[in-house]
Amino acid sequence: DAGVTQSPTHLIKTRGQQVTLRCSPISGHKSVSWYQQVLGQGPQFIFQYYEKEERGRGNFPDRFSARQFPNYSSELNVNALLLGDSALYLCASSLSQGANQPQHFGDGTRLSIL
Amino acid sequence: GESVGLHLPTLSVQEGDNSIINCAYSNSASDYFIWYKQESGKGPQFIIDIRSNMDKRQGQRVTVLLNKTVKHLSLQIAATQPGDSAVYFCAENIMNYGGATNKLIFGTGTLLAVQP
Repeated sequence: DAGVTQSPTHLIKTRGQQVTLRCSPISGHKSVSWYQQVLGQGPQFIFQYYEKEERGRGNFPDRFSARQFPNYSSELNVNALLLGDSALYLCASSLSQGANQPQHFGDGTRLSIL
Repeated sequence: GESVGLHLPTLSVQEGDNSIINCAYSNSASDYFIWYKQESGKGPQFIIDIRSNMDKRQGQRVTVLLNKTVKHLSLQIAATQPGDSAVYFCAENIMNYGGATNKLIFGTGTLLAVQP
């Protein structure tokens, strides 16, 4: 079975541009979460979506937005890119948003801002 | 691929030895914990989880211990192999809004280096 898939794998943008990252969850998983991982640190929570609704948001500015589609795939959008947005963006899926649900991660999109 | 292990605490072990990786968590209300393994250029890979009503759980070659009194987790890897070389993260599950939000808070991470 396919795991969580993310696209693209790598992306280079310049400051001020906008970017859209995509995620397909594991088949049957209805919850998708996004995390940002800066080099040398653990992932930081950005968003959780379940049944197409935002269920949680981390400490990120409004430049970050996301959505979930009827097939449970998800997109993360970042506007007005800054150099500090350079990071690995990870998508994780779980069966639902409930307690004790392991989140399974994709291999991420490596975003570099020039 | 790029290393995720820059400036991380490092545990160096000989192949065949047992490894113990430790982690302190922050929220006494956390009731679910996961260990992840992250290899260079890849996303975190689920290893094992444990609920707060347990103090020990075993998997294949791995054991997780939970001490809620001091908010401490450990991951034990038996007969460590070169393929175990990676960064290991513990994560605590934080529930908010009556269970509507389910997010993971990750620890700093430990780089495990297995010497052949």
